[in-house]
Amino acid sequence: TQLLEQSPQFLSIQEGENLTVYCNSSSVFSSLQWYRQEPGEGPVLLVTVVTGGEVKKLKRLTFQFGDARKDSSLHITAAQTGDTGLYLCAAGSGGYQKVTFGTGTKLQVIP
Amino acid sequence: KAGVTQTPRYLIKTRGQQVTLSCSPISGHRSVSWYQQTPGQGLQFLFEYFSETQRNKGNFPGRFSGRQFSNSRSEMNVSTLELGDSALYLCASSLETGPRETQYFGPGTRLLVL
Repeated sequence: TQLLEQSPQFLSIQEGENLTVYCNSSSVFSSLQWYRQEPGEGPVLLVTVVTGGEVKKLKRLTFQFGDARKDSSLHITAAQTGDTGLYLCAAGSGGYQKVTFGTGTKLQVIP
Repeated sequence: KAGVTQTPRYLIKTRGQQVTLSCSPISGHRSVSWYQQTPGQGLQFLFEYFSETQRNKGNFPGRFSGRQFSNSRSEMNVSTLELGDSALYLCASSLETGPRETQYFGPGTRLLVL
């Protein structure tokens, strides 16, 4: 069973600051996804990365997949209050949909 | 296109009872997955159905079961409810099966077991 550890668990920052969230495992992933979940809603997919070393940018969000495909990071530049939420990484292996979610990082951006 | 819908949104049950939750996927999506979310354990995979067949199952007891109908709608059943079953149950649909597929989540059903 893959275990995905996210750090930090909680993060409270001021608007305009930068932050990085990490997702680590001892297992190799075939792919990794990042989601954001807001209170009262289900998670929403932000990005999928599949290649070791891959970097994807989504406006102020930068996602990196480790070279060995065991870890990933999410960097947010100039955080905004709208970035507040629970960030989850999720990894899968094999052909089926058995996806393992990380422990989550709860981000609060203070105006 | 309508998103994933789940009914009911909130549910209160007592220990020993059983409950059935419903999920309607996005039109055209054939895969439906179910997850349990709790503050202590996070988001955990329950099972996935694809074209009416259970493709994968997480590490949950047999009290948790599900099914998928020919129109891809899915139901999840929990029998002999325990206090620890209190959680947010999320359903997600995707076009095809596979860990790289984009899953679209519903808003969830919040179950409270007293």
